[in-house]
Order: sequence, then C-alpha cells, then structure tokens
Amino acid sequence: AQTVTQSQPEMSVQEAETVTLSCTYDTSESDYYLFWYKQPPSRQMILVIRQEAYKQQNATENRFSVNFQKAAKSFSLKISDSQLGDAAMYFCAYRSEGNDMRFGAGTRLTVKP
Amino acid sequence: AAGVIQSPRHLIKEKRETATLKCYPIPRHDTVYWYQQGPGQDPQFLISFYEKMQSDKGSIPDRFSAQQFSDYHSELNMSSLELGDSALYFCASSPRYYNEQFFGPGTRLTVL
Repeated sequence: AQTVTQSQPEMSVQEAETVTLSCTYDTSESDYYLFWYKQPPSRQMILVIRQEAYKQQNATENRFSVNFQKAAKSFSLKISDSQLGDAAMYFCAYRSEGNDMRFGAGTRLTVKP
Repeated sequence: AAGVIQSPRHLIKEKRETATLKCYPIPRHDTVYWYQQGPGQDPQFLISFYEKMQSDKGSIPDRFSAQQFSDYHSELNMSSLELGDSALYFCASSPRYYNEQFFGPGTRLTVL
C-alpha cells in the first residue's frame, strides 16, 4: 500500500523568507502523481502544486516549487518569499492512475510578521 | 469557473440519527470521491464512483453507503451516527484518469 509521510508536524518561517516542507512516500508503482494541498482555517483544500512522476523537471508555480527525487521517493515543497497568507496546514498527497488520493499527516506552517 | 458543490455545508445530528450529504461535481466530471477528515487528521478516502458504478472503496464503515446518480451527483448516506463520525466530509471530482482531483468546500458534520 502506498503511504505518505510528513515528518514535520509544525514549521515556522519569517515573512519574506524561504521554508521547505518535507514529504516522503512509499510505492511500487512507476507512474503516479504527487500533490501539495494547502488547507487554511476555512478548511478548503486548495491545490498548490502537482508533479507527474514521469517528468524529471521539478514543478514550479510562482513562489512555490518542489524538489522531486524519484529514486529517493522524496517530494519537498519550497515556499519562497513567504507571505502571511501562506499560513495554513499543508498536505502532501500521492495518487496512482485512476485511484484515490493518499495524504500525509500534514504540516502546520506558521508565518511570523 | 464552476466548482464542486457540497450541501449542506454544516449539519448537526444526534447519535443514532441518519444524515445525507450531497455532492455536485464539476460539469463533465464523471468521477466522484468522498473523503472524511477528522479533527486534526488528514483526509481519509471513503469511496469513489465512476459512471454511477462504485470504482474503489476505502475505510468506509458499513453504516455508510453512497451512490452516484445519472446526472453524476453523489450522495453519502450515513446511518446510526456515532460521536466519532463528527468530521469534515469532502467530495472531490475529476474526469476519469485525470491526475488532479478538485475538492469541494466540505460538509462539517457534528454528531451530538
């Protein structure tokens, strides 16, 4: 079974600085997708960034980028120029073709002004 | 752009009562997923449907059932409610085999 591990229950970053959230996963599949979701206090699940496993290039979305290491089964999220609005719970998620999403336990990010 | 609609947004029930949660997927999305997120927990997959047929099943209690209708909306029926059923219930939709799932705003169920 696929598992997703987020080893950092909480992280803190100063506004305008950079923070990296860690995620590792376990799978025997070769084709799969990885996601980072943000869940603010409203509890809405908001997609931050996604990565297809077959792509070697790391995904980037504005201030958000990932470091995808397929061999190491690692998928970290880097947030640059952190903003107060980035404060939220961040979930790493894994999905193989046609299947459901498996989530990590989440990392609560605090942004200090 | 149209999003996933869930109703109701909030629901309060007593123990042993029943509840029905509804999900209206994004137009032309034929696959629906249900997740349960307990307090301080990550979302857990319950069940999914594709073209009105159950396609996958996760940790859904036997007291729960779900179905997808011809217009692709889905309903999650929960009977004999327990205190532990209090959670946020997400519905997500996608076109079949599309890598991303689009989440609704969730239904917050409180069982007293």
